[in-house]
Amino acid sequence: DTAVSQTPKYLVTQMGNDKSIKCEQNLGHDTMYWYKQDSKKFLKIMFSYNNKELIINETVPNRFSPKSPDKAHLNLHINSLELGDSAVYFCASSQRRDQPQHFGDGTRLSIL
Amino acid sequence: RKEVEQDPGPFNVPEGATVAFNCTYSNSASQSFFWYRQDCRKEPKLLMSVYSSGNEDGRFTAQLNRASQYISLLIRDSKLSDSATYLCVVNPNNFNKFYFGSGTKLNVKP
Repeated sequence: DTAVSQTPKYLVTQMGNDKSIKCEQNLGHDTMYWYKQDSKKFLKIMFSYNNKELIINETVPNRFSPKSPDKAHLNLHINSLELGDSAVYFCASSQRRDQPQHFGDGTRLSIL
Repeated sequence: RKEVEQDPGPFNVPEGATVAFNCTYSNSASQSFFWYRQDCRKEPKLLMSVYSSGNEDGRFTAQLNRASQYISLLIRDSKLSDSATYLCVVNPNNFNKFYFGSGTKLNVKP
């Protein structure tokens, strides 16, 4: 049983397209996150939701829009993809806001 | 100044060696500290939490030095399977904004 699962694992698409990444956790956690890990391996938080409520919205272009239909799911939609969006996107969850996080195995996004 | 800073390495050590990494943080009010491990092309995985009194888990020991604002990770008797990138993580204010260091790469060689 995968605790935090995200799909797709690989996403190769052209500049200007719109794409979505889905994330689901079966741990019963209250808090979910999206992180971006760039080519320099630096992991940076993008968004965080607590019980479906947006808690953290870092300085991310508004082409990125998260959606949390329930506390077990946090999806990420990206409009008008750009070359600089190429990265690995990790979904994570934690039981509470201050607890350590469990990560999904990442979505490798490549923009052509 | 970055919230969390780590020496990127790589640290190249022979099997059986003891190796230590430090990580400095900028916010003196930081509350929670963790070490994660990330293998190549994999997701980060929690290695251990870091408590004020220090804690040990098998060959791994984590310490917190609040006065100097750093945390450390000591690995004894290194195994080939310890080769990975070790990420320092700091939660500055008990809200769910965690800052990740850029990682320290460890290569354990036979």
